[in-house]
Amino acid sequence: ETGVTQTPRHLVMGMTNKKSLKCEQHLGHNAMYWYKQSAKKPLELMFVYSLEERVENNSVPSRFSPECPNSSHLFLHLHTLQPEDSALYLCASSQEPPSYSNQPQHFGDGTRLSIL
Amino acid sequence: TQLLEQSPQFLSIQEGENLTVYCNSSSVFSSLQWYRQEPGEGPVLLVTVVTGGEVKKLKRLTFQFGDARKDSSLHITAAQPGDTGLYLCAGAENTPLVFGKGTRLSVIA
Repeated sequence: ETGVTQTPRHLVMGMTNKKSLKCEQHLGHNAMYWYKQSAKKPLELMFVYSLEERVENNSVPSRFSPECPNSSHLFLHLHTLQPEDSALYLCASSQEPPSYSNQPQHFGDGTRLSIL
Repeated sequence: TQLLEQSPQFLSIQEGENLTVYCNSSSVFSSLQWYRQEPGEGPVLLVTVVTGGEVKKLKRLTFQFGDARKDSSLHITAAQPGDTGLYLCAGAENTPLVFGKGTRLSVIA
């Protein structure tokens, strides 16, 4: 497999459920990102990991909890979500850490999350 | 806060027509990236422009970075149905990328 792979592709959950989104990159990149994509809003950066350390957290509610066990894997743990959290969640990776911001980002195809 | 404004928000054209979409900001960026996102997929990088006034061509797509590095345009010649998608610009300036809301293009055969 090549590129950035996200699972599951679709997820429907109730507000009291706990679930996790998974992202895996096969590009040998050092940085990984979680974005939220909602209708009528720009892509919102949620979390950035560089060399497995979290370097940015854009004031994301604590009901979203990221985990980066190694440079190839990134998780987003979800609990007690709200209906407004329904969105497409995109994972991305880049060669260099975020300070080298000219680096292109390689995106997965996202997880479409619906909160009932 | 750096913001990128993209226009138009929506564009629907016939196959064979030409079009231009814009990406504007009041902030200066060291580089600007353009991505295309097709339905059900993640964004895919088309081009990165880094020098003020730079013009890059990718087949029928022409990208230009403004002299002041605050704006960019994407011109498509003889649009085809395969060009349909969401076009996103993203600016970089010593921080993680800042994305615009995108232009949603529909090319009708």
